[in-house]
Amino acid sequence: DAKTTQPPSMDCAEGRAANLPCNHSTISGNEYVYWYRQIHSQGPQYIIHGLKNNETNEMASLIITEDRKSSTLILPHATLRDTAVYYCIVRAVNAGNNRKLIWGLGTSLAVNP
Amino acid sequence: DAGITQSPRHKVTETGTPVTLRCHQTENHRYMYWYRQDPGHGLRLIHYSYGVKDTDKGEVSDGYSVSRSKTEDFLLTLESATSSQTSVYFCAISDPSKVVDLYEQYFGPGTRLTVT
Repeated sequence: DAKTTQPPSMDCAEGRAANLPCNHSTISGNEYVYWYRQIHSQGPQYIIHGLKNNETNEMASLIITEDRKSSTLILPHATLRDTAVYYCIVRAVNAGNNRKLIWGLGTSLAVNP
Repeated sequence: DAGITQSPRHKVTETGTPVTLRCHQTENHRYMYWYRQDPGHGLRLIHYSYGVKDTDKGEVSDGYSVSRSKTEDFLLTLESATSSQTSVYFCAISDPSKVVDLYEQYFGPGTRLTVT
């Protein structure tokens, strides 16, 4: 599975858009990009995933570059409750019985009032 | 929120004692997973289950065993706890209609285990 690189920390003002980047320059054609977040002392929370088209749901938007080497998770109107560690994970979906997700250390997003 | 509970939520135990952690779901999801989370590491998969009595090893399975006798319950057992197993343990579930959905997982609140 491709390795991902995320900045260790970011700040965002409440009410503004939070744009969280992820680099996955070695991504393969069958690998999806998944985003999770983890609020302090809670279990991780699934946000969104995509292959090559941009995706949007009630939580966020995922923008994947045309060459698929990077992506950006967008929280359009960040609130204090969005303060969390955000994880970008790349995973091939046809990789046999290995069900491992490689979790890095993510980006710690602080939303400030 | 997905109906996932973990018990106990906190436990302190001594080295060498057996410990069983329980994950219970009310979602009737087929897949269940046990992860551990340690400072400086991402979450790491211990074991997972793809159905009743069907389990397989993850990346850090040594020292752990699992059982799933009912769809709703997935047990993680440390046969003889060691200090290196001090960690936060998370259970997760998924119910993929497509393979890509395997990795859309929903997590429980976690169990903080301390082995002294």
